[in-house]
Order: sequence, then structure tokens, then C-alpha cells
Amino acid sequence: GAVVSQHPSRVICKSGTSVKIECRSLDFQATTMFWYRQFPKQSLMLMATSNEGSKATYEQGVEKDKFLINHASLTLSTLTVTSAHPEDSSFYICSARGAGIHHYGYTFGSGTRLTVV
Amino acid sequence: AQSVTQLGSHVSVSEGALVLLRCNYSSSVPPYLFWYVQYPNQGLQLLLKYTTGATLVKGINGFEAEFKKSETSFHLTKPSAHMSDAAEYFCAARRPSGTYKYIFGTGTRLKVLA
Repeated sequence: GAVVSQHPSRVICKSGTSVKIECRSLDFQATTMFWYRQFPKQSLMLMATSNEGSKATYEQGVEKDKFLINHASLTLSTLTVTSAHPEDSSFYICSARGAGIHHYGYTFGSGTRLTVV
Repeated sequence: AQSVTQLGSHVSVSEGALVLLRCNYSSSVPPYLFWYVQYPNQGLQLLLKYTTGATLVKGINGFEAEFKKSETSFHLTKPSAHMSDAAEYFCAARRPSGTYKYIFGTGTRLKVLA
């Protein structure tokens, strides 16, 4: 079945540094990838949608210069949290949409727990 | 505008009892509907989905859901709860065409009592 690998699963970084999160589709081509943020005991909030080879589309209120998204290939999308601050601490989840049999349901990565100290 | 409402942020059932998690949607056109389960510090796993056709859909782990257009509902059920069912459950919807974005409900935390 469709598998999405997200790495790292946990990361602790110092305030002011940048952190990169990778999301890879292992056995299908992800034409679209979605990045979500989840606060404790809350639902998933869509941050941005990225299509391979084009600029990401950010949801209202999401700072595109802070959350840099790159979708350079059909199997890899990255989210970089730049100049991270403690308020950026959260659980980040990616999901990928492929064509064909994956059209209806998307596959989610296992998430990244970011802690900024 | 499209929205998804999950009634009850916390649901507790006894082991072996019926599980019923409620989901209602609001959409100008019948959306595709999904139920996902999330275990602590993990991503989301698809339980089942409704797109077209049969309105009663069966998923993994003994779960099923019924799409009721007249009630704009897509409630998730399982006849007999197991301890391993304890998790967070999310209902989601998206349009059949156009934007492929999901709209998620706020989630329901299921607790299974021994």
C-alpha cells in the first residue's frame, strides 16, 4: 500500500535555529503534499498545499517566510521552520496525494514532534 | 462553506460495548467522507471512506460507517469495543472535485474501560 515516510519523528532545537522536516512517498508519486500542524488535544490545521515543481499555497494566517515548503520531486517535500521559537513547538504531519488508486484517500506520515527550547 | 462537526470530544465505553462516534458535515454538495484514527504521537491511519455507491462502508478493525445524506451524517460504529481501540478519531470531508483539501472535525478521544 501507499506509504509516506516522515523524518525526523522528534526534534529538539534551540530558539532561533532552523529545522527541516522531510516527507517522502515511498511507493507512489505524490502529486500533491499537504502539511498540517496539530496542537495538543486539537485537530489538524492545514498549513499549506504543495504541488511538485510549483510554489506552495499557504493557508490564511500561515507565514510563508517562516514555514518554507519545497516540493522538488514527486516523492519528496520538505518543511523548514526558520528561526524557530517556542511557540512553534507542535506536532507537524504531512500527507500525500497520488494519482490513480490513491485518489480518494491520502496517506499520512507518522508526524514530527518539534520542541523549541 | 464546508465544515465537519464531531459531537463529543471525549467518549467512554466499556470493553465489549458498542462504539458510536458521531460526525455531521455541512456542504453544498455531498462530499467524500473519511474516518481516521490517531494513536499518541503518530500520524493518521485511514479507517474507512465513503465516496460513491453503497452508503454503508466497512473499514479496518471492525469499524463501519453509514452515509446518510438526509441527516448529513457519517457516524462511525463498532459492535464491540476493544482496549486497543482507545485513540483519537477524526472525521474528515473533502469535495469530490476541485480543491483536494481535507476539512477535519475536531476529533473524538475514545476511552475504553476494562
